[in-house]
Amino acid sequence: GQQLNQSPQSMFIQEGEDVSMNCTSSSIFNTWLWYKQDPGEGPVLLIALYKAGELTSNGRLTAQFGITRKDSFLNISASIPSDVGIYFCAGRRRIQFYFGTGTSLTVIP
Amino acid sequence: KAGVTQTPRYLIKTRGQQVTLSCSPISGHRSVSWYQQTPGQGLQFLFEYFSETQRNKGNFPGRFSGRQFSNSRSEMNVSTLELGDSALYLCASSPGTAGALAKNIQYFGAGTRLSVL
Repeated sequence: GQQLNQSPQSMFIQEGEDVSMNCTSSSIFNTWLWYKQDPGEGPVLLIALYKAGELTSNGRLTAQFGITRKDSFLNISASIPSDVGIYFCAGRRRIQFYFGTGTSLTVIP
Repeated sequence: KAGVTQTPRYLIKTRGQQVTLSCSPISGHRSVSWYQQTPGQGLQFLFEYFSETQRNKGNFPGRFSGRQFSNSRSEMNVSTLELGDSALYLCASSPGTAGALAKNIQYFGAGTRLSVL
């Protein structure tokens, strides 16, 4: 099925740095979601976005629903070691969910 | 309220065998979707069940099948296992509403790690 274009594929950053990742699609979505997955576990929902232009924060995480409804970004401020994991974006159109290929984040203490 | 529960967490099978995985969705959720996750392949959509009916299907062979019960619990079956079926199988539940304004979000279980030897 269709997958979203998520970038970067991987990131290696120093503890304390800010992180930015994004997802793009050629199609519009009604909902954008961001998940974090730890090794051997299922993805955990971080942020849900429902309207174009919406900006939502969850602690050090901030995500935005793009104005065109075809993209979204996730920012993590002041990264800490427990931010390590794979971050997935997902877009919903009607009943179907489409997933990005993931961004693997490594935080170096 | 309780999250999505998948059982078992780990399974080891041999080629040719069959396996059944179980998923209990969040209370009140009517939609259950199944995904296969392998390294480098991301999340591959298998199928979705809504109110006991398969509503959507991915591009997997007929060896992969599923069903949903009246209490929304779902099972996924894989017959004639192949080595390439080794993966993390994830179940996600959601309210299942389709409208553009619907707050229809998928919540995932911890997954079942299937190893085929």
